Amino acid sequence: DAGVIQSPRHEVTEMGQEVTLRCKPISGHNSLFWYRQTMMRGLELLIYFNNNVPIDDSGMPEDRFSAKMPNASFSTLKIQPSEPRDSAVYFCASSFAESRGNQPQHFGDGTRLSIL
Amino acid sequence: DAKTTQPNSMESNEEEPVHLPCNHSTISGTDYIHWYRQLPSQGPEYVIHGLTSNVNNRMASLAIAEDRKSSTLILHRATLRDAAVYYCILRGANSKLTFGKGITLSVRP
Repeated sequence: DAGVIQSPRHEVTEMGQEVTLRCKPISGHNSLFWYRQTMMRGLELLIYFNNNVPIDDSGMPEDRFSAKMPNASFSTLKIQPSEPRDSAVYFCASSFAESRGNQPQHFGDGTRLSIL
Repeated sequence: DAKTTQPNSMESNEEEPVHLPCNHSTISGTDYIHWYRQLPSQGPEYVIHGLTSNVNNRMASLAIAEDRKSSTLILHRATLRDAAVYYCILRGANSKLTFGKGITLSVRP
């Protein structure tokens, strides 16, 4: 079975450029999550969607970050303009929607982003 | 969200059992105990979760104390591929998955 698919795997770009990260969740999952991992801050939740609707974006660092989920099989995380402090590994995860806290999340392999 | 406490690191020998402890003294009655692991250069991977009873799956076993204030992830026979950071996370209704620092497991050949 295909897992969560993220692209690109690596991205190197210059400060000020627009960066778009892509995610395809597991088919049938209706919750999608974007995380960021750095050495300093560990793994942080940025935003999550239920049934393509953003539910909690309190983790999005600032207005330069935006996320969309136009349909059940695709989501993007965009940074515009990018800054060196945005350098991190960005993970996408998906799960079945639930309310009790017992659904496992399945993670992609991440996008390693470097902003020069 | 209730917090968990894990040792920073642990070492084990290949082919021996590993017991990874987690303390969660402020756990609420509806919090599930989740374990994830992250191998080097990979995304986190779900391992197991439970509420009150001990749980077994193909990857590991989860032993939950009777008062639920602690739990132990058991790898029955460690392999080199089990070297990873293991996260113990409490998750209640409509709550997020909040990752702490986890415990770094090293496996000696």
